[in-house]
This record gives sequence, structure tokens and C-alpha cells, in this order.
Amino acid sequence: QKEVEQNSGPLSVPEGAIASLNCTYSDRGSQSFFWYRQYSGKSPELIMSIYSNGDKEDGRFTAQLNKASQYVSLLIRDSQPSDSATYLCAVVLNNDMRFGAGTRLTVKP
Amino acid sequence: NAGVTQTPKFRILKIGQSMTLQCAQDMNHNYMYWYRQDPGMGLKLIYYSVGAGITDKGEVPNGYNVSRSTTEDFPLRLELAAPSQTSVYFCASSLTRWGTDTQYFGPGTRLTVL
Repeated sequence: QKEVEQNSGPLSVPEGAIASLNCTYSDRGSQSFFWYRQYSGKSPELIMSIYSNGDKEDGRFTAQLNKASQYVSLLIRDSQPSDSATYLCAVVLNNDMRFGAGTRLTVKP
Repeated sequence: NAGVTQTPKFRILKIGQSMTLQCAQDMNHNYMYWYRQDPGMGLKLIYYSVGAGITDKGEVPNGYNVSRSTTEDFPLRLELAAPSQTSVYFCASSLTRWGTDTQYFGPGTRLTVL
């Protein structure tokens, strides 16, 4: 099992819809969780971090963490074409960070 | 502030050649990192540094070397280039180690080894 798994996509949603991105991780001891956005040909940029179970909201973005299920998700409300990018999930365990392969999101006008 | 800068942006190497990828940051960050990203994959950590003079291996260090003589600079050295090192290389920095602080990424270096 990969340490951090994401559906590669592409995930396609219409403009204004909710995009739901999922990530599972293999190690129950993982401590910190991040979502990065990466536009094609660009470097990653951090959009959300979450450390405890539950939801964390920041504008149109909500990160959800369920440590018992080893699952972290990112919801994007009112999706815009500018949200079209690859979203990378990253997990920290024992001071080591592991990235998933990313989910490619396309928001269609 | 320029943030994190990387040079060159693109490079083509022949098998067996050597080169140094440059990385610099002007944010006075202690922590610096080198990642590689293969097509359709996430980032893998090559090396990291917690301050001048201190470096350590990441997940995929083989074939690379680093040094950190100043807070600002963190060059990555490829000694004998191999086709498996064809990738996009990102340098990043943060004030504290990941988990408590945002990492700032440079624009990347696209390396092709033929």
C-alpha cells in the first residue's frame, strides 16, 4: 500500500459545484496533513493544513480529517475555472513528509 | 523579497555529466529542502537542511549531494547524471520544519538527461 494515496483523476466538475478531493494514508501515527495546489508547470503552493480531527474552513476551502479512518479530504465550494489544477495531499510522520501523486481537477465553465 | 529562486530553469545533460542546481532564499529561513517531481507523481524529498552546515538525507538521496555554507544558499549537486534523474527539481524553504510552517517553493528546474 502506498503511504499516501489519491485518485489521479481527472475530476471534472461544473463551475459553481462542490469539488471533493480525497486522500488516504497508511500510517496511523501521522500527525500533520496538508493540501497543496499546483498549476501546470508551476510550483506547489500550500492552501490548507489540518492537524486534528474534524473540519477546518478557509474561504471556499474545507479540509476534513478522520484519523480513525486514515482519511483526509478537501472540499472546494463554488468551484471556479481558476481552481483547475492538481491538488497534492501531504502527510507528516515522524518529521518526514510524504506526498501523494495528486488529483487533477478541471472546473468547466 | 524575491522568495526562493532557482537556476537554471531548464537544462539538458548527457549521461555521466555533472552539474549543480542553485537555490537561494532571502527570507532568513532555517530550513531548506530539495524535492524531485517525476511526471504525474508527487514530490519526493532528496535532501534537507536545518541550518548552515547541517544537512540530512531524505527519501531519495542516491546520486545527489548537497552543502549549506550559508543560510541563504542550498545547492544540489549531480555528479554522474543518469536518465533516471530526468525530473523537475524544486527547492523550498520554511522558517520551521514542516508541520508547523508553510514551505515556500521555488519555480523549479526542469532537467533532462539523455
